[in-house]
Amino acid sequence: EVQLLESGGGLVQPGGSLRLSCAASGFTFTNYAMSWVRQAPGKGLEWVSGISGSGGSTYHADYVKGRFTISRDNSKNTLYLQMNSLRAEDTAIYYCANWVLAAADFDYWGQGTLVTVSS
Amino acid sequence: QSVLTQPPSASGTPGQRVTISCSGSSSNIGNNYVYWYQQLPGTAPKLLIFRNNQRPSGVPARFSGSRSGTSASLAISGLRSEDEADYYCATWDDSLSGPVFGGGAKLTVL
Repeated sequence: EVQLLESGGGLVQPGGSLRLSCAASGFTFTNYAMSWVRQAPGKGLEWVSGISGSGGSTYHADYVKGRFTISRDNSKNTLYLQMNSLRAEDTAIYYCANWVLAAADFDYWGQGTLVTVSS
Repeated sequence: QSVLTQPPSASGTPGQRVTISCSGSSSNIGNNYVYWYQQLPGTAPKLLIFRNNQRPSGVPARFSGSRSGTSASLAISGLRSEDEADYYCATWDDSLSGPVFGGGAKLTVL
C-alpha cells in the first residue's frame, strides 16, 4: 500500500524558513517523480514544486521560484521542501504526491501538513 | 484567479446525473491530458479520472470524463450522498511549464 506521510509544518514568522519532509513507502521511490501541491485555507489546489525520480531535475512554480527548493533522498525514501523567505500568502496545507512529469497526474497524496506564516 | 475555469458549485438529487465543466485554452486543455480529483471534506485529494477519461482501479463507473477542444467535463451518474465533495480539474500548461488546476466545484447532494 502506498503511503506518503508529511511532517515539518507549523507556525513561522514572515521572512522565516521551514523544511517539510515526506516519508514514502509501499512503492519503489526512486522510480517516481514527486511533487508538492498546496491548498490555502478555504481555497483550491496549487502546484508548488516537482522533482524527477533521480533528483537530477527540479521544477518550481514562478510564485515560489528563488524561495523554495525541492529535493529528495532516495536512500531514505524521503522528499523535502525547503521554504525560505516565507510570506503570509504561503499559508496552506502542503501535500506531497507522486507525479508524472509534464502532466497533472498525481496518483497518490499524503494527508498534508499545515504551514502558517504569521507574526 | 485559476488558469482553468470551473463553476464554483453544482448540485443534484440522489440518482440524478450531474456534470461539472472545466474550461481552458490551447496551451493547456487543448494540448494536454485532463485529470480530475475528488476531495472529500477534511481529506486529501484523490485521483478520480486520468488521461481525459480513464478511471483508476476502484473508482466506480458512475464517474466519467471527457475532453473536447479546450474544455473538459466530469459526469457523475446515479448520484449518491457520498459523492458530496469538491472536484478539481487539472492539466499541464505548456506556457507556464507546470501543472495547473481549476478553482474547484463544490458538489452538493440535495
